[in-house]
Amino acid sequence: DVVMTQSPLSLPVTLGQPASISCISSESLLHSDGNTYFNWFQQRPGQSPRRLIYKISNRDSGVPDRFSGSGSGTYFTLRISRVEADDVGVYYCMQGSHWPPTFGQGTRVEIK
Amino acid sequence: QVQLVQSGADLKKPGASVKVSCKASGYTFTFYYIHWVRQAPGQGLEWMGRINTKTGVPNISQRFQGRITLTRDTSITTGYMELSSLRSDDTAFYYCTRGEMTTVNYFDSWGQGTLVTVSS
Repeated sequence: DVVMTQSPLSLPVTLGQPASISCISSESLLHSDGNTYFNWFQQRPGQSPRRLIYKISNRDSGVPDRFSGSGSGTYFTLRISRVEADDVGVYYCMQGSHWPPTFGQGTRVEIK
Repeated sequence: QVQLVQSGADLKKPGASVKVSCKASGYTFTFYYIHWVRQAPGQGLEWMGRINTKTGVPNISQRFQGRITLTRDTSITTGYMELSSLRSDDTAFYYCTRGEMTTVNYFDSWGQGTLVTVSS
């Protein structure tokens, strides 16, 4: 199975400041159809996961433009341009290019 | 709007089985797989398996082979996950989510989660 490794695992941030989470996959996520099926999810405390970003950089409906995704191949990044209190939670990367789908171990974002 | 509504929390004894339901609405049920993902307390997300809602054919993670049964009832647009031979480390939230069948598009909507507690 493809292993997804996130860093850092814990990210204390100051309100209004930027934040960045990285995810490295054990294999290239470039699919044979030319797409890269890499997603980011947010899980707020006590809630179900919510998809934020799909195919590296596409924001889901309703996701603020403070969130952006980038990367290619095996290295991917989620950036929050200005952290708000609502952004507290755990963020997971996930790949769907190889079977079975696999998740990163999660990055906990908290306010300093 | 798309909704996935799961059955309520359950308490089971070790060795028993549990069956969790996931009622889908707001979209064409047979256009999407139903996937199951679990999350042990304070832990990350683990994919368990999926069912083709059109054919009823499941695909199961090797980790759960022989212990999990995925089914669906298209007449009531509901998917089911049954986990047998429960152990204490099966205590977790179990989520259903969906994935498109015609393209690789995973997990854009999720159920609210079902807490299964395994304890004697």
